[in-house]
Amino acid sequence: KQEVTQIPAALSVPEGENLVLNCSFTDSAIYNLQWFRQDPGKGLTSLLLIQSSQREQTSGRLNASLDKSSGRSTLYIAASQPGDSATYLCAVRGGATNKLIFGTGTLLAVQP
Amino acid sequence: EAQVTQNPRYLITVTGKKLTVTCSQNMNHEYMSWYRQDPGLGLRQIYYSMNVEATDKGDVPEGYKVSRKEKRNFPLILESPSPNQTSLYFCASSLFPSGVYEQYFGPGTRLTVT
Repeated sequence: KQEVTQIPAALSVPEGENLVLNCSFTDSAIYNLQWFRQDPGKGLTSLLLIQSSQREQTSGRLNASLDKSSGRSTLYIAASQPGDSATYLCAVRGGATNKLIFGTGTLLAVQP
Repeated sequence: EAQVTQNPRYLITVTGKKLTVTCSQNMNHEYMSWYRQDPGLGLRQIYYSMNVEATDKGDVPEGYKVSRKEKRNFPLILESPSPNQTSLYFCASSLFPSGVYEQYFGPGTRLTVT
């Protein structure tokens, strides 16, 4: 059974720091991995989608990597800003139903 | 604007009173699904639909029903809500059921059952 873990559960950093969020999964048979952002009381915003054949994806200050063999993904945020404060979720997609299996998230606070 | 919409956004109800949460997408997506989000448990899939008239159970289907009579709509029905169904609900869709396609999420419906 696929399990997704995100470490740390919470992170507080000063503005301007570069930071890394970690996601690990137990079954490497995935189709893709998606990183989401969730603001309090809001829905999920898709940040990056990495297909199983890809190693990384970039969007602006965000870079996500995927190492299927070790069951790990990282989300790198460069030059963090207070507006980056949110919960970041990773989810893997696999299996016959193509459902997303989510981690429990990392709550990020960027202090001005 | 391409989007997934849900209504209502907030709902407080009493035990046993049937309710429906609507979900609609305007992207002609075939695959739609419902998730619930609970503290410490993350998001878990309730039901999914591969296409019109094709629905199936996810990980936590007990107490819920769905229907998919047309491509754009995928309502979630709680026939007799109970307090343990108090949660944040999300509808999601993707172009095809294939795992290579990105999933898009609605804004969420916060349900409280007293």
